[in-house]
Amino acid sequence: KAGVTQTPRYLIKTRGQQVTLSCSPISGHRSVSWYQQTPGQGLQFLFEYFSETQRNKGNFPGRFSGRQFSNSRSEMNVSTLELGDSALYLCASSLEGRGTEAFFGQGTRLTVV
Amino acid sequence: AQSVSQHNHHVILSEAASLELGCNYSYGGTVNLFWYVQYPGQHLQLLLKYFSGDPLVKGIKGFEAEFIKSKFSFNLRKPSVQWSDTAEYFCAVRRGSQGNLIFGKGTKLSVKP
Repeated sequence: KAGVTQTPRYLIKTRGQQVTLSCSPISGHRSVSWYQQTPGQGLQFLFEYFSETQRNKGNFPGRFSGRQFSNSRSEMNVSTLELGDSALYLCASSLEGRGTEAFFGQGTRLTVV
Repeated sequence: AQSVSQHNHHVILSEAASLELGCNYSYGGTVNLFWYVQYPGQHLQLLLKYFSGDPLVKGIKGFEAEFIKSKFSFNLRKPSVQWSDTAEYFCAVRRGSQGNLIFGKGTKLSVKP
């Protein structure tokens, strides 16, 4: 069974640009969550999608947005990039139900210069 | 706001030493609890989880954790660490049976051969 796939693995962007990251969940998983990982702040929750609807949102500015498609694949977009957006962006997918865990992808390393 | 605290930022042990990593959370309702591990250059992997039943849970690679409801704690233990346990360990909490994870800031474990 294929794991969670994130593309691209690495990105370098310039301040002010925008970026789109992609996540393909494990087959059959309808919940997809995004996290930002930085050395100072650790793992912070961005948003969660289930059946194409945003179910939950973290405390990030509106420059961070996402969506989910009917095949459960998800994208996140960051507009007007700032230096502080440099981070590892992780996607996780899970089944619904008690005791289910999240499965994480390798992440996309975004560097803003 | 719900939070997860990991008490140690960096732990250094010699091989065969015993390990205990602390984790406390602030939410008072029903929770699912997780420990994830991130080996250098790899994606987050689940070590173990608790959602109900026996508060002492066993995970992979000889790790175990104990849920103490009265202390809001979920400490991770291993009787004898190996060099290959060098990694970063994250405690995570999910309120109820669905939704996003809230992570602690992680504990870096370095095991000296």
